[in-house]
Amino acid sequence: AQSVSQHNHHVILSEAASLELGCNYSYGGTVNLFWYVQYPGQHLQLLLKYFSGDPLVKGIKGFEAEFIKSKFSFNLRKPSVQWSDTAEYFCAAAPRTNAGKSTFGDGTTLTVKP
Amino acid sequence: ETGVTQSPTHLIKTRGQQVTLRCSSQSGHNTVSWYQQALGQGPQFIFQYYREEENGRGNFPPRFSGLQFPNYSSELNVNALELDDSALYLCASSDRAGGSYEQYFGPGTRLTVT
Repeated sequence: AQSVSQHNHHVILSEAASLELGCNYSYGGTVNLFWYVQYPGQHLQLLLKYFSGDPLVKGIKGFEAEFIKSKFSFNLRKPSVQWSDTAEYFCAAAPRTNAGKSTFGDGTTLTVKP
Repeated sequence: ETGVTQSPTHLIKTRGQQVTLRCSSQSGHNTVSWYQQALGQGPQFIFQYYREEENGRGNFPPRFSGLQFPNYSSELNVNALELDDSALYLCASSDRAGGSYEQYFGPGTRLTVT
């Protein structure tokens, strides 16, 4: 069965600190990986995605993620967080040609203190 | 381009009742996926509709059913509501022509079952 696990339930950082959120997946077959963000009061939106090729992918707002196949991991990073990055972050995995059948982790709530 | 819309925004129902939630897909998208997001958890895949047919289902009982219409909008119906059905119900649309690599989420319907 497919599963996605996120290591941290709640992360608290000060502005300008570096961020790394862990994500591991268990999936049969070829998989696409995603990070979504949900800002307070807003709907889920795509932060970045990995399909193939360069395992380091860059997304919006300075976020990046690294796919490590041997570790079944897809960790999210940002060198310097801002207060506006306060949000909930979800890692997800989906079959190669059907993003609409995604399996999500339980999310990590990031709080950035000004 | 119109994004994914859902109605109603909030809903309160009593245990044992039936509910219908509605979703309009993003312009040009022919696939709708429904997810249930319980408090403190990530979205869980309920089912997907593609060209008016169910195209895959998650681990949800038959009392969760759906429809897709010729204009690609969709309904989620839940019969015999249980307290555990209280959650945020998310709809996401994608375009499966050539493979669906992204999905776009609506704002969700918050269902409370008392």
